[in-house]
Amino acid sequence: GIQVEQSPPDLILQEGANSTLRCNFSDSVNNLQWFHQNPWGQLINLFYIPSGTKQNGRLSATTVATERYSLLYISSSQTTDSGVYFCAVERNQGGKLIFGQGTELSVKP
Amino acid sequence: DAGVIQSPRHEVTEMGQEVTLRCKPISGHNSLFWYRQTMMRGLELLIYFNNNVPIDDSGMPEDRFSAKMPNASFSTLKIQPSEPRDSAVYFCASSLGTNQETQYFGPGTRLLVL
Repeated sequence: GIQVEQSPPDLILQEGANSTLRCNFSDSVNNLQWFHQNPWGQLINLFYIPSGTKQNGRLSATTVATERYSLLYISSSQTTDSGVYFCAVERNQGGKLIFGQGTELSVKP
Repeated sequence: DAGVIQSPRHEVTEMGQEVTLRCKPISGHNSLFWYRQTMMRGLELLIYFNNNVPIDDSGMPEDRFSAKMPNASFSTLKIQPSEPRDSAVYFCASSLGTNQETQYFGPGTRLLVL
C-alpha cells in the first residue's frame, strides 16, 4: 500500500519563528489533507490540497503531485500552533485516508 | 452545524465487557469513517460507510469489533468482549462523499480497558 512519511518527527520553535513541514508519499494520490491535532486531541482540518497551493492566514500548503510531496508552512508561529501535524493521503480507495506518523511541534513563548 | 458528535468522550471499562461507541455525522454528509489512534500504530482506518452501507471493513482488527449505521445520522462501533489492547482513542469522521472530499473529525472517544 501507499507509504506516507513526514519530517521532521519533532520540531521546537521559538514564538515568531517560521517552519516548514514535509510529507512524502510513495504513489499518486487523489486526496491529501493536512490536520492539526491540538493538545486536547482534537483533529482539525487545515487544508484539502491534492495539488497546488493554498493559504489560510499564517498557514499555507503546497502539494507537488508529480513529485509526490507536500509542504506545510507555518509563519510567525504562536504557542497555540503547538501539537501534532498530520498529513493524510488517499489513492482511489473511496475515502480511505492513510496517515503519516505526524510532526510534533512545540512553540515556546 | 455542530460538527461530528461522538459519545461518550471517555470510557473506562474492564476486560471482557461490551463497549459501544456512538457517532452522529454532520448533517448531509453521506460518508462516515471510524478511525483508531494508538501510540504504536498511529491513526488507522477501521471501517467506512457510504450511504449507510459498509464499503470497506478491512481495517477492523478482529471479530470482536463490529460497526453499524442504521440511518444517515447515527453509527455505532461495538467491541465485545473488550481487551486491554483495545485501549485507544476512537475517532469518527464524515464527508460529503467518498472521493476527493474533505473529512471532518469528531472529538474522539478515549477508551481505557483495564
